[in-house]
Amino acid sequence: EVQLVESGGGLVQPGGSLRLSCAASGFTVSSNYMSWVRQAPGKGLEWVSLIYSDGTTYYADSVKGRFTVSRDNSKNTLHLQMNRLRAEDTAVYYCACMWMVADYWGQGTLVTVSS
Amino acid sequence: QAVVTQEPSLTVSPGGTVTLTCGSSTGAVTSGHYPYWLQQKPGQAPRTLIYDTSNKHSWTPARLSGSLLGGKAALTLSGAQPEDEADYYCLLSYPGAWVFGGGTKLTVL
Repeated sequence: EVQLVESGGGLVQPGGSLRLSCAASGFTVSSNYMSWVRQAPGKGLEWVSLIYSDGTTYYADSVKGRFTVSRDNSKNTLHLQMNRLRAEDTAVYYCACMWMVADYWGQGTLVTVSS
Repeated sequence: QAVVTQEPSLTVSPGGTVTLTCGSSTGAVTSGHYPYWLQQKPGQAPRTLIYDTSNKHSWTPARLSGSLLGGKAALTLSGAQPEDEADYYCLLSYPGAWVFGGGTKLTVL
């Protein structure tokens, strides 16, 4: 059974850092396109980041230079390092394997940026 | 980055037909944008209904179909059911970025 489990969310002060993790089972993270998608409270979906199977990474303009996506192949886990956090980064963060026939989503982890 | 536009809200009668559209600020939406349509219900993670313009997943109801229409991506629901009430998001692929539309809140009433 395919499963994605996010962790690492929580409350952080503006300017702080947080590292999200997404543990995968039932498929191989490094062989797939993996994304981070976020949703601010009461708002729509926002694409955040993408890592291709070849390791190429892409970011939304809103997080470029502050967020870094990576993967730990030995643990079949995706990460999102978030630095210089702002209030507008407050959202539920989903990891997803979403490309063509694949469509796997985690349950989401809440990140709250507030003093 | 590009802006992807959707109708903020639409209402359809049970059994009726409705088309949701997805436009791009950069011009016509083409198959090269690999249009996706996702559904999200309250308290749930999103899930993809349509990928690559018109391809369906095994869980996608037959009453849903994706297409390109008048320079936009389109999601057509024929024979709406109460369980189709949800938020629908379009997602387009651009060089170096993916962009979601603002979403369409579909009411079945």
